[in-house]
Amino acid sequence: AQTVTQSQPEMSVQEAETVTLSCTYDTSESNYYLFWYKQPPSRQMILVIRQEAYKQQNATENRFSVNFQKAAKSFSLKISDSQLGDTAMYFCALSYDNAGNMLTFGGGTRLMVKP
Amino acid sequence: KAGVTQTPRYLIKTRGQQVTLSCSPISGHRSVSWYQQTPGQGLQFLFEYFSETQRNKGNFPGRFSGRQFSNSRSEMNVSTLELGDSALYLCASSLGLAVDEQYFGPGTRLTVT
Repeated sequence: AQTVTQSQPEMSVQEAETVTLSCTYDTSESNYYLFWYKQPPSRQMILVIRQEAYKQQNATENRFSVNFQKAAKSFSLKISDSQLGDTAMYFCALSYDNAGNMLTFGGGTRLMVKP
Repeated sequence: KAGVTQTPRYLIKTRGQQVTLSCSPISGHRSVSWYQQTPGQGLQFLFEYFSETQRNKGNFPGRFSGRQFSNSRSEMNVSTLELGDSALYLCASSLGLAVDEQYFGPGTRLTVT
C-alpha cells in the first residue's frame, strides 16, 4: 500500500517571500511518480508540478520547484516569490506504473499568502 | 479545448436514495478517474475507467459503481445513500497512456440528508 503524509495542515507566507511545503511518502514500487496539486477556493484541482522517481534532477516549473530526496522518501514543494493567487490547498500525490491513473493523496496543506 | 465538465454541480438527496453523477472528459482523453473528497477522509480514489473498462478500483463498498461510454463520458452511481456519502466528487480525465497528467473537473457537491 502507498501512503502520503503532509505534516503541515496550515501555513502562511508573506507576499513575495518563499515557502516550502513538506511531503513524505511510502511505497514499495520501484517506478513511481510524485505530484503536487493545487486546489484554490474555486475547488478546481490543478497540477502544479510532477516528478518521475527515476529522474535525479529536481523538477521546476516557473516559481515552483521540488526537493526530491528519494532515499528519505521526501518530496517538498518550494514556492518562490509567493503571490496572492497561490492561496490554496496543496496536495501531494503518488502514483506508479501499473496503477493507471490512480493517485494516492496526502491530507493537504492550506497555504495562505498574506499581502 | 473545453475542460472537464461535471453535472450536476450540486445535488441534495435523502438517505436511501440513489444518485448518478456525470463526467465529460476533455476531447481525446480516454481515461476517467473518480475521487471522493471529504473533510475527514480527504481525497480518496474511487475508480478509473479506460476505453469503457474499469482499470482500477479503490476501497469503496459495492454501492459505488461506475461506467464509461464509447465517447469516454463516464457516470458514477451511488445506491442506498448514507449520510457519510456527503462529499465533493471529483472526476479527472487524461489520455490514459501510462501515468500522465490528469485534468480535474470542478466537482459535484453531494449532500445527503
